[in-house]
Amino acid sequence: GENVEQHPSTLSVQEGDSAVIKCTYSDSASNYFPWYKQELGKGPQLIIDIRSNVGEKKDQRIAVTLNKTAKHFSLHITETQPEDSAVYFCAASRTGTASKLTFGTGTRLQVTL
Amino acid sequence: GAGVSQSPSNKVTEKGKDVELRCDPISGHTALYWYRQRLGQGLEFLIYFQGNSAPDKSGLPSDRFSAERTGESVSTLTIQRTQQEDSAVYLCASSLDRDTEAFFGQGTRLTVV
Repeated sequence: GENVEQHPSTLSVQEGDSAVIKCTYSDSASNYFPWYKQELGKGPQLIIDIRSNVGEKKDQRIAVTLNKTAKHFSLHITETQPEDSAVYFCAASRTGTASKLTFGTGTRLQVTL
Repeated sequence: GAGVSQSPSNKVTEKGKDVELRCDPISGHTALYWYRQRLGQGLEFLIYFQGNSAPDKSGLPSDRFSAERTGESVSTLTIQRTQQEDSAVYLCASSLDRDTEAFFGQGTRLTVV
């Protein structure tokens, strides 16, 4: 089955700096890669996703890149703000949808003033 | 309601007892998912319901776990003869259909003592 690895497990950046979280996956048939943000006591919330037919997607301060050959994808957050502090999860699916997602183990991002 | 609602929010049970967790999806959402999140780990897929199709139960870890969904409404996840390793946050999500964003509830934190 699919295996998703995520690094780093914790990340501390100063406000205004950029943050990068990286994930690798094992199943070459995976074709959908969402990123979720989970704040304390809440369920995960989708922040951006990418499908295997594109290499990069951007939404304001957030961007995701995908390298299908190397089987890795990354989340980039620019101009970080304290409200970006949360746990971020990457995931992969071969169904092209949110069904049967395999998640990474999460990255705890701390944005300090 | 406006979002996915799960109850109870917290449940403490004795080893060997049965528990039932409830999920109320967003009205009109045909797809419903259950995931398990162990402490410090990513989410594990458990089961997926899509409309009136047979559910995908491939993620259920043992025959002590079962889930039902009545039509496109409430779902219940039942764990029989609970074990300490069942302690986790159980998250439910729903989406309009299998191709659209999944919205997560806040989860039920299950502690087996």
